Amino acid sequence: DAGITQSPRHKVTETGTPVTLRCHQTENHRYMYWYRQDPGHGLRLIHYSYGVKDTDKGEVSDGYSVSRSKTEDFLLTLESATSSQTSVYFCAISVGGDRGGYNSPLHFGNGTRLTVT
Amino acid sequence: GESVGLHLPTLSVQEGDNSIINCAYSNSASDYFIWYKQESGKGPQFIIDIRSNMDKRQGQRVTVLLNKTVKHLSLQIAATQPGDSAVYFCAENTSGGYQKVTFGIGTKLQVIP
Repeated sequence: DAGITQSPRHKVTETGTPVTLRCHQTENHRYMYWYRQDPGHGLRLIHYSYGVKDTDKGEVSDGYSVSRSKTEDFLLTLESATSSQTSVYFCAISVGGDRGGYNSPLHFGNGTRLTVT
Repeated sequence: GESVGLHLPTLSVQEGDNSIINCAYSNSASDYFIWYKQESGKGPQFIIDIRSNMDKRQGQRVTVLLNKTVKHLSLQIAATQPGDSAVYFCAENTSGGYQKVTFGIGTKLQVIP
Protein backbone atom coordinates (compact mmCIF):
# COMPACT_ATOMS: atom_id res chain seq x y z
CA ASP A 1 0.00 0.00 0.00
CA ALA A 2 3.04 2.26 -0.43
CA GLY A 3 2.82 3.52 3.16
CA ILE A 4 -0.74 4.80 2.86
CA THR A 5 -3.16 4.37 5.73
CA GLN A 6 -6.81 5.29 5.54
CA SER A 7 -9.06 5.67 8.55
CA PRO A 8 -11.61 4.62 9.42
CA ARG A 9 -11.89 1.52 7.23
CA HIS A 10 -15.65 1.42 7.68
CA LYS A 11 -18.11 4.11 8.68
CA VAL A 12 -21.88 4.27 8.95
CA THR A 13 -23.36 7.69 9.39
CA GLU A 14 -26.71 9.41 9.13
CA THR A 15 -27.84 11.81 6.46
CA GLY A 16 -26.95 15.38 7.30
CA THR A 17 -24.01 14.65 9.57
CA PRO A 18 -20.47 15.77 8.79
CA VAL A 19 -17.89 13.05 8.21
CA THR A 20 -14.12 13.28 7.92
CA LEU A 21 -11.96 10.61 6.37
CA ARG A 22 -8.23 10.59 6.91
CA CYS A 23 -5.38 9.59 4.65
CA HIS A 24 -1.89 9.31 6.07
CA GLN A 25 1.26 8.65 4.07
CA THR A 26 4.72 7.91 5.37
CA GLU A 27 6.76 8.60 2.23
CA ASN A 28 6.60 12.39 2.04
CA HIS A 29 5.07 12.52 -1.43
CA ARG A 30 3.81 15.85 -2.67
CA TYR A 31 0.72 14.75 -4.62
CA MET A 32 -2.24 13.15 -2.90
CA TYR A 33 -5.70 12.34 -4.25
CA TRP A 34 -9.15 11.33 -3.07
CA TYR A 35 -11.23 9.07 -5.30
CA ARG A 36 -14.58 7.41 -4.93
CA GLN A 37 -15.46 4.02 -6.39
CA ASP A 38 -19.04 3.08 -7.24
CA PRO A 39 -20.56 0.16 -9.15
CA GLY A 40 -20.83 0.95 -12.82
CA HIS A 41 -18.26 3.72 -12.64
CA GLY A 42 -14.53 3.85 -12.78
CA LEU A 43 -12.69 5.60 -9.99
CA ARG A 44 -13.63 9.27 -9.98
CA LEU A 45 -11.47 12.07 -8.65
CA ILE A 46 -12.97 14.15 -5.84
CA HIS A 47 -10.12 16.45 -4.84
CA TYR A 48 -6.38 16.42 -5.02
CA SER A 49 -3.48 18.18 -3.34
CA TYR A 50 -0.15 19.29 -4.76
CA GLY A 51 1.36 20.41 -1.47
CA VAL A 52 0.62 21.63 2.02
CA LYS A 53 -2.41 23.91 1.88
CA ASP A 54 -2.54 23.49 -1.93
CA THR A 55 -5.65 21.68 -3.10
CA ASP A 56 -7.95 21.67 -6.08
CA LYS A 57 -11.21 20.14 -7.24
CA GLY A 58 -11.67 17.00 -9.24
CA GLU A 59 -14.62 15.93 -11.35
CA VAL A 60 -17.02 15.07 -8.48
CA SER A 61 -16.14 17.62 -5.81
CA ASP A 62 -19.63 18.89 -4.91
CA GLY A 63 -20.42 18.19 -1.26
CA TYR A 64 -16.80 17.51 -0.36
CA SER A 65 -13.98 19.58 1.03
CA VAL A 66 -10.38 18.72 1.78
CA SER A 67 -7.54 19.98 3.89
CA ARG A 68 -3.83 19.36 3.96
CA SER A 69 -2.07 21.02 6.85
CA LYS A 70 0.85 18.57 6.85
CA THR A 71 2.56 16.73 4.02
CA GLU A 72 1.62 13.37 5.45
CA ASP A 73 -2.11 13.93 6.04
CA PHE A 74 -4.90 14.61 3.56
CA LEU A 75 -8.41 14.89 5.01
CA LEU A 76 -11.66 14.52 3.12
CA THR A 77 -14.78 16.02 4.69
CA LEU A 78 -18.35 15.42 3.70
CA GLU A 79 -19.92 18.59 4.95
CA SER A 80 -23.44 17.15 5.24
CA ALA A 81 -23.54 13.53 4.22
CA THR A 82 -26.17 12.36 1.74
CA SER A 83 -27.13 8.87 0.63
CA SER A 84 -25.55 9.53 -2.77
CA GLN A 85 -22.21 9.74 -0.99
CA THR A 86 -22.42 6.12 0.08
CA SER A 87 -19.34 4.76 -1.60
CA VAL A 88 -15.86 3.39 -1.15
CA TYR A 89 -13.30 6.16 -0.85
CA PHE A 90 -9.69 5.70 -1.85
CA CYS A 91 -6.75 7.88 -1.14
CA ALA A 92 -3.84 7.75 -3.56
CA ILE A 93 -0.39 9.21 -3.96
CA SER A 94 1.75 9.59 -7.03
CA VAL A 95 5.50 9.52 -7.15
CA GLY A 96 5.94 11.70 -10.19
CA GLY A 97 7.39 14.62 -8.29
CA ASP A 98 7.02 18.07 -9.71
CA ARG A 99 5.17 16.97 -12.80
CA GLY A 100 2.12 16.14 -10.77
CA GLY A 101 2.52 12.46 -11.09
CA TYR A 102 2.05 12.55 -14.82
CA ASN A 103 3.42 9.42 -16.43
CA SER A 104 3.61 7.60 -13.14
CA PRO A 105 1.18 5.18 -11.55
CA LEU A 106 -0.92 5.95 -8.52
CA HIS A 107 -0.49 4.05 -5.29
CA PHE A 108 -3.71 3.52 -3.36
CA GLY A 109 -4.70 2.93 0.22
CA ASN A 110 -7.11 0.14 1.07
CA GLY A 111 -10.14 2.38 1.17
CA THR A 112 -12.88 3.53 3.50
CA ARG A 113 -16.32 2.05 3.02
CA LEU A 114 -18.83 4.75 3.90
CA THR A 115 -22.54 4.11 4.28
CA VAL A 116 -24.92 7.03 4.68
CA THR A 117 -28.31 5.99 6.03
CA GLY B 1 -13.54 -5.28 -21.73
CA GLU B 2 -15.37 -2.24 -20.45
CA SER B 3 -19.00 -2.11 -19.43
CA VAL B 4 -21.39 0.64 -18.54
CA GLY B 5 -23.59 -1.74 -16.58
CA LEU B 6 -23.56 -2.48 -12.89
CA HIS B 7 -22.22 -5.97 -13.42
CA LEU B 8 -18.62 -6.34 -14.31
CA PRO B 9 -17.75 -8.44 -17.32
CA THR B 10 -16.22 -11.66 -16.11
CA LEU B 11 -13.48 -13.75 -17.62
CA SER B 12 -13.15 -17.32 -16.36
CA VAL B 13 -9.85 -19.03 -17.03
CA GLN B 14 -8.46 -22.42 -16.13
CA GLU B 15 -5.44 -22.35 -13.87
CA GLY B 16 -2.28 -22.52 -15.97
CA ASP B 17 -3.88 -21.04 -19.08
CA ASN B 18 -3.14 -17.58 -20.39
CA SER B 19 -5.60 -14.73 -19.77
CA ILE B 20 -6.29 -11.78 -22.00
CA ILE B 21 -8.17 -8.80 -20.62
CA ASN B 22 -9.19 -6.03 -22.99
CA CYS B 23 -9.81 -2.34 -22.59
CA ALA B 24 -11.06 0.25 -25.04
CA TYR B 25 -9.95 3.74 -24.14
CA SER B 26 -11.70 6.90 -25.14
CA ASN B 27 -9.27 9.75 -25.65
CA SER B 28 -6.98 9.69 -28.67
CA ALA B 29 -4.80 12.27 -26.89
CA SER B 30 -4.05 9.87 -24.03
CA ASP B 31 -0.39 9.01 -23.97
CA TYR B 32 0.17 6.95 -20.86
CA PHE B 33 -1.72 3.82 -19.85
CA ILE B 34 -1.76 1.73 -16.71
CA TRP B 35 -3.23 -1.58 -15.65
CA TYR B 36 -4.34 -2.06 -12.07
CA LYS B 37 -5.38 -5.14 -10.14
CA GLN B 38 -7.91 -4.87 -7.35
CA GLU B 39 -8.57 -7.68 -4.92
CA SER B 40 -11.69 -7.75 -2.82
CA GLY B 41 -11.53 -5.29 0.07
CA LYS B 42 -8.28 -3.73 -1.10
CA GLY B 43 -7.16 -0.74 -3.05
CA PRO B 44 -6.06 -0.93 -6.68
CA GLN B 45 -2.52 -2.15 -7.18
CA PHE B 46 -0.27 -1.13 -10.05
CA ILE B 47 0.63 -3.96 -12.42
CA ILE B 48 2.23 -2.51 -15.52
CA ASP B 49 2.24 0.65 -17.59
CA ILE B 50 3.00 1.67 -21.14
CA ARG B 51 3.64 4.93 -22.92
CA SER B 52 2.14 5.78 -26.26
CA ASN B 53 5.48 5.59 -28.05
CA MET B 54 5.46 1.84 -27.41
CA ASP B 55 3.12 -0.89 -28.55
CA LYS B 56 4.22 -3.66 -26.22
CA ARG B 57 5.74 -3.93 -22.79
CA GLN B 58 6.50 -7.02 -20.77
CA GLY B 59 6.72 -7.58 -17.07
CA GLN B 60 6.85 -10.65 -14.93
CA ARG B 61 4.15 -12.95 -16.38
CA VAL B 62 2.28 -9.91 -17.76
CA THR B 63 2.36 -8.18 -21.10
CA VAL B 64 0.54 -5.05 -22.14
CA LEU B 65 -0.27 -4.37 -25.77
CA LEU B 66 -1.30 -0.98 -27.07
CA ASN B 67 -3.04 -0.37 -30.38
CA LYS B 68 -3.43 3.36 -30.83
CA THR B 69 -5.15 3.02 -34.19
CA VAL B 70 -8.21 1.46 -32.62
CA LYS B 71 -7.67 2.83 -29.10
CA HIS B 72 -7.33 -0.58 -27.57
CA LEU B 73 -5.28 -1.88 -24.70
CA SER B 74 -4.88 -5.45 -23.55
CA LEU B 75 -3.33 -7.20 -20.60
CA GLN B 76 -2.02 -10.69 -21.04
CA ILE B 77 -1.31 -12.84 -18.00
CA ALA B 78 0.74 -15.96 -18.62
CA ALA B 79 0.14 -19.19 -16.71
CA THR B 80 -2.75 -17.75 -14.72
CA GLN B 81 -2.72 -18.64 -11.04
CA PRO B 82 -5.48 -18.59 -8.39
CA GLY B 83 -3.84 -15.51 -6.87
CA ASP B 84 -4.54 -13.66 -10.10
CA SER B 85 -8.28 -13.71 -9.36
CA ALA B 86 -9.26 -10.07 -9.02
CA VAL B 87 -10.79 -7.15 -10.89
CA TYR B 88 -8.48 -5.64 -13.49
CA PHE B 89 -8.96 -2.19 -14.92
CA CYS B 90 -7.11 0.08 -17.21
CA ALA B 91 -6.46 3.77 -16.84
CA GLU B 92 -5.56 6.36 -19.44
CA ASN B 93 -3.63 9.54 -18.75
CA THR B 94 -3.69 12.74 -20.69
CA SER B 95 -1.30 15.57 -20.03
CA GLY B 96 -2.62 18.44 -18.00
CA GLY B 97 -2.01 20.60 -14.99
CA TYR B 98 -2.72 17.67 -12.74
CA GLN B 99 -2.83 14.01 -13.23
CA LYS B 100 -5.80 13.59 -15.57
CA VAL B 101 -6.58 9.95 -15.29
CA THR B 102 -9.66 8.17 -16.58
CA PHE B 103 -10.30 4.76 -15.12
CA GLY B 104 -12.20 1.95 -16.75
CA ILE B 105 -14.85 -0.02 -14.89
CA GLY B 106 -12.93 -3.26 -14.92
CA THR B 107 -13.10 -6.93 -15.75
CA LYS B 108 -13.36 -9.62 -13.14
CA LEU B 109 -10.93 -12.48 -13.65
CA GLN B 110 -11.93 -15.80 -12.11
CA VAL B 111 -9.33 -18.54 -12.08
CA ILE B 112 -10.70 -22.03 -12.01
CA PRO B 113 -8.41 -24.43 -10.09
